[in-house]
Amino acid sequence: AQSVTQPDIHITVSEGASLELRCNYSYGATPYLFWYVQSPGQGLQLLLKYFSGDTLVQGIKGFEAEFKRSQSSFNLRKPSVHWSDAAEYFCAVGALEYGNKLVFGAGTILRVKS
Amino acid sequence: DVKVTQSSRYLVKRTGEKVFLECVQDMDHENMFWYRQDPGLGLRLIYFSYDVKMKEKGDIPEGYSVSREKKERFSLILESASTNQTSMYLCASSLGGVQPQHFGDGTRLSIL
Repeated sequence: AQSVTQPDIHITVSEGASLELRCNYSYGATPYLFWYVQSPGQGLQLLLKYFSGDTLVQGIKGFEAEFKRSQSSFNLRKPSVHWSDAAEYFCAVGALEYGNKLVFGAGTILRVKS
Repeated sequence: DVKVTQSSRYLVKRTGEKVFLECVQDMDHENMFWYRQDPGLGLRLIYFSYDVKMKEKGDIPEGYSVSREKKERFSLILESASTNQTSMYLCASSLGGVQPQHFGDGTRLSIL
């Protein structure tokens, strides 16, 4: 069965430092990959997506992610974190073979120290 | 921008009540989804619908049902609410196929 693992439940970084959030997936098919962000009390907002082509994708708010098929990973990065980036981040995976559904990771809570 | 609207942000109900959660999207999306979100568990799919009057069970459908009589509206029904259904409920919609899902702001439901 397909699954998504976000190994870090919490991450704390200093404002201005770089950030990398990890995501590993287990899929038997060609994955469609997504990163979402959720601010407290809000729904999820799409940061970026990967369907095919260039394995480094740019998203909103200065985020980027890199698809590495050999490692089954789709890690999210940002060069310099701002206090407003504090939120929960979710990785999600889908595949045509599994219909229109996405499978979400358990999430990583990002705290930003000033 | 896609707008997904959930009828209530906060809801308090009693055990045994029949509870309706409503979701409306304004972008003519084929797919609509209901998730529940619990700390440490991420989002778990309850039901989804890929067309009017069509529905499929997700990973945790027990105790829930859904209705999609119109393309823009997808309702989640708790037939007889129980305390273990206290949770955050999120509705989402997307175009057909594997596409980004657009989320509402969620309904925090408490069952007392």
